Formats: sequence, structure tokens, C-alpha cells
Amino acid sequence: RKEVEQDPGPFNVPEGATVAFNCTYSNSASQSFFWYRQDCRKEPKLLMSVYSSGNEDGRFTAQLNRASQYISLLIRDSKLSDSATYLCAPSGGSYIPTFGRGTSLIVHP
Amino acid sequence: DAGITQSPRHKVTETGTPVTLRCHQTENHRYMYWYRQDPGHGLRLIHYSYGVKDTDKGEVSDGYSVSRSKTEDFLLTLESATSSQTSVYFCAISDRGDYEQYFGPGTRLTVT
Repeated sequence: RKEVEQDPGPFNVPEGATVAFNCTYSNSASQSFFWYRQDCRKEPKLLMSVYSSGNEDGRFTAQLNRASQYISLLIRDSKLSDSATYLCAPSGGSYIPTFGRGTSLIVHP
Repeated sequence: DAGITQSPRHKVTETGTPVTLRCHQTENHRYMYWYRQDPGHGLRLIHYSYGVKDTDKGEVSDGYSVSRSKTEDFLLTLESATSSQTSVYFCAISDRGDYEQYFGPGTRLTVT
């Protein structure tokens, strides 16, 4: 089993839709979780950090399920500008977070 | 945005030549990382540093070496570039290691 698994997508949704991505992780020692957003040919940028059961920031909500070892990212009222790849990165219990390969989101008019 | 720069931003080089990429930060963060990103592989860690002169290998370190003589600079060297090292290289920094990372703009390296 891969350490971090994400559905590569693409998720193709209309503007205004709600979309959710899951990220499963294998390291039960992971305590911190991060979502990054990466635009085409750009660097990843931190979107959200999760240290407890979840976090919410405007239209974005992250939920952590430790028992099933997955973390989800929910985007409400999708905008065209949300089109990007979303990377999940659980902490590894060391200095090294482990990144998933990302989920591609395309929001169309 | 975190103060991270990478140089050069683009480079084309020939097989067998040495190449050095530089990452420079103004945030005084302790941890620095070098990743490569290739289609189908995502971000893969090459080397990382947890302090001045303290470095360790990541999952794809063969053919790469690093040095960190100052807090603000982390150098990645390809001793003898190969075509398989054609990639986009990202530097990242972190204040507390296993927490949020902030990435530089990347270097696109092509080895012909």
C-alpha cells in the first residue's frame, strides 16, 4: 500500500458545485495533515493545515478520520479559480512530510 | 509569501556536466528540502537539511549531493547530469520540520 493515496481525477465540476477529495494515508503515527494547492507549472502553496479533527477556512473544509486513516477536502461554491491540483501531505513523524500525487480539479463555466 | 528564491529558474545542460542549483531563504527557517517533480511521480524528496551542515538523504538521492554552509542557502549539485535528471526541482523550507512547508518557484532543468 502506498503511503499516501489520492484519486488523480480529474474532477470536472461546474461553477458553484460542491466537490470533495479524499486522501488515505498508511502511517498511523501521522499527527498533522496539510493540503497544498498547485497551479499548472507553479510551486505548491499551502492551502490548509489540520491538527485535530478538522479545519474550515471560508469555502474550504478539511475533515480528518483517524480511525479510517483518511482526510478529506471539501470545496463549496466552486470558482473557476479553484482549478488546480490539490496535494495531500500527512506528517511522517519525522522531519519529512509525505506527499500524495495530487487530485486534479477542473471547474468549468 | 515566504522569502524563498531559486536560481537559476531555467537551465539546459548537456549529459555529463556538473550542475548546481541554489535555494536561498530570508525566513531563517531551520529545515530545507530539495524535491523533484515529474509527471506520474508527484513530489519526491532528494535531500533535506535540519541545520547548518546537517543533511540527510531522501528517497531519490542517487546522483545528487547537497551542501548547507549557511542557514539561508541550500545547494543541490548534480555531479554528472543525466537525461533522467531532467525535471522540475523545488526547494522548500519549514520552521518546525514536520509541519507546513513553503516552496520556492522551482527550477526547470533539461539535460540533453
